Amino acid sequence: KAGVTQTPRYLIKTRGQQVTLSCSPISGHRSVSWYQQTPGQGLQFLFEYFSETQRNKGNFPGRFSGRQFSNSRSEMNVSTLELGDSALYLCASRRPGGRDTQYFGPGTRLTVL
Amino acid sequence: GNSVTQMEGPVTLSEEAFLTINCTYTATGYPSLFWYVQYPGEGLQLLLKATKADDKGSNKGFEATYRKETTSFHLEKGSVQVSDSAVYFCALSIPQGGSEKLVFGKGMKLTVNP
Repeated sequence: KAGVTQTPRYLIKTRGQQVTLSCSPISGHRSVSWYQQTPGQGLQFLFEYFSETQRNKGNFPGRFSGRQFSNSRSEMNVSTLELGDSALYLCASRRPGGRDTQYFGPGTRLTVL
Repeated sequence: GNSVTQMEGPVTLSEEAFLTINCTYTATGYPSLFWYVQYPGEGLQLLLKATKADDKGSNKGFEATYRKETTSFHLEKGSVQVSDSAVYFCALSIPQGGSEKLVFGKGMKLTVNP
């Protein structure tokens, strides 16, 4: 079974631009979560989507948004990029069914110059 | 709130040494507990999990037991290999209204020398 895939793997943007990252979950998994990983803050939860609805949201500004499509694929968007948005963005999928395991993709490395 | 505290390292061991990485948690409710591992340039891989008190998770020689009385989930391996060099994250999740977000510790970088 194919794992979680994320595209692109690497991105370089400049301040003020916007960016869209994509995540395809494991087949049969209907929940997708996004996490930001930085050296200073570690791993932080951004949001979770299930059935095309945002189910939970972390403590990030409104510049960070996401959506989920009917095939469970998800995208996250960051508008008006700041230098501090440079991070590894990880996507994780699960069935869901309660007490599920989240399986992670390889991440998208975003660099903001 | 929910939080995880773990040893941060970095830690360097020789091959075949014993490994312990301490992890304690604070949670409202009854969390599931996880250890994830991250190899250089990669995402997170599930190493093991436990969903209730006294559960023991094990995988690839690694073990951890869910200790409710001490709110701990320490990771152990009897004999580490060079290939175990990675960053190890302890995490918890609690179902809330159909959502489950992971709360992570800061991670511990392990280097194993031959």
